[in-house]
Amino acid sequence: QVQLVQSGAEVTNLGASVKVSCKTSGYTFSAYYIQWVRQAPGQGLEWMGWINPNSGGSNYTQTFQGRVTLTRDTSLNTAYMELSRLRSDDTAIYFCGRGGQTRYGLIDYWGQGSLVTVSS
Amino acid sequence: QSVLTQPPSASGTPGQRVTISCSGSNSNIGSNVVSWYQHFPGTAPKLLISMNDQRPSGVADRISASKSGTSASLAISGLRSEDEADYYCAGWDDSLSGHVFGTGTKVTVL
Repeated sequence: QVQLVQSGAEVTNLGASVKVSCKTSGYTFSAYYIQWVRQAPGQGLEWMGWINPNSGGSNYTQTFQGRVTLTRDTSLNTAYMELSRLRSDDTAIYFCGRGGQTRYGLIDYWGQGSLVTVSS
Repeated sequence: QSVLTQPPSASGTPGQRVTISCSGSNSNIGSNVVSWYQHFPGTAPKLLISMNDQRPSGVADRISASKSGTSASLAISGLRSEDEADYYCAGWDDSLSGHVFGTGTKVTVL
């Protein structure tokens, strides 16, 4: 069955970086985009970006102004989201999800979420 | 702020039908498909509807959805206590070249 398992909770400092992993199984990793979404405390879901595991190409919302880097390791069937220059409002649960076979496809399977707490 | 607007809340008594709207524009709902998610805060969202009105395997047939023009809606019939959750519409936005989520609707079962 399709599974996405994310790395554990992180507590990190203002201005630092955090890297969240998303290990997939149960399907052909390179065939489906990986999407990243976050939810800050008391807020709604916010789409962050996608990565094409086949080509490594990625795109993300301008909200993050180049602070986010999406990568993947096809040998491990794992995608990564790194967020730098962390601010207090980056405290959130970060989710990865299996998107479609094109960038337009929305998430059908989700990771369990990774809580990132930015401490001052 | 999201470009897809939902009512912040909706409610009903057990057995009733609740409908949630999602209002967008020509650059998103008007030209792309819509999905709907159920979300219990702190857990992974669950896909309820894809491709505007398609229920994935395992989703109850009490759940239905439709799209017309630049708006979409989700309906939950035979409301149950376990339906109490947050619900989000989502879709691709051509102007933003990315996905967008709706503002979210909290459903309360009275």
